[in-house]
Amino acid sequence: GNSVTQMEGPVTLSEEAFLTINCTYTATGYPSLFWYVQYPGEGLQLLLKATKADDKGSNKGFEATYRKETTSFHLEKGSVQVSDSAVYFCALSESGSARQLTFGSGTQLTVLP
Amino acid sequence: KAGVTQTPRYLIKTRGQQVTLSCSPISGHRSVSWYQQTPGQGLQFLFEYFSETQRNKGNFPGRFSGRQFSNSRSEMNVSTLELGDSALYLCASSTEPTYEQYFGPGTRLTVT
Repeated sequence: GNSVTQMEGPVTLSEEAFLTINCTYTATGYPSLFWYVQYPGEGLQLLLKATKADDKGSNKGFEATYRKETTSFHLEKGSVQVSDSAVYFCALSESGSARQLTFGSGTQLTVLP
Repeated sequence: KAGVTQTPRYLIKTRGQQVTLSCSPISGHRSVSWYQQTPGQGLQFLFEYFSETQRNKGNFPGRFSGRQFSNSRSEMNVSTLELGDSALYLCASSTEPTYEQYFGPGTRLTVT
């Protein structure tokens, strides 16, 4: 079956540091890949997505590239802010539909001023 | 446009009872999916409804059920509650063609 393996947390960084959160996946076919963010007490918000190999998703300074050869979708940001503190989830869905998501375990990010 | 709303936001029930959670999707969205979030198991897919029909189901026991109404609002029901059912239950709505999912704030269920 499908699975997503995400970098263990928690991650603590100083403001303006570079962020990488690793994500690798196992899936049949050509899944779509997503990063979601969850702030305390809230639901999930879609941060970015990529639907085919070599696509780069980007939003709010975050980026991730769909690498089929390494089955990876690592999240990066060049300069984190305190407001980026949240839990980040990598997820996939089978090709052709995003209706059923398989999530990674989540990575807690804390950014210190 | 209003987002996905879920009611109630918090719920405390006793083991053995049953519970019903409600989800109102974004206007125009016909697909509603439910997820369970726990510290131990993470986020797990429960089921998805589209036009009042269940299209997908995750690996949960039959105590977990759902339905969708003609206005796309959805409910999920858990019968004979167990302590392990304590979780945040998230609802997401989506629409064709991408079915990109928009999540509600969740219902926090505590079973004592």
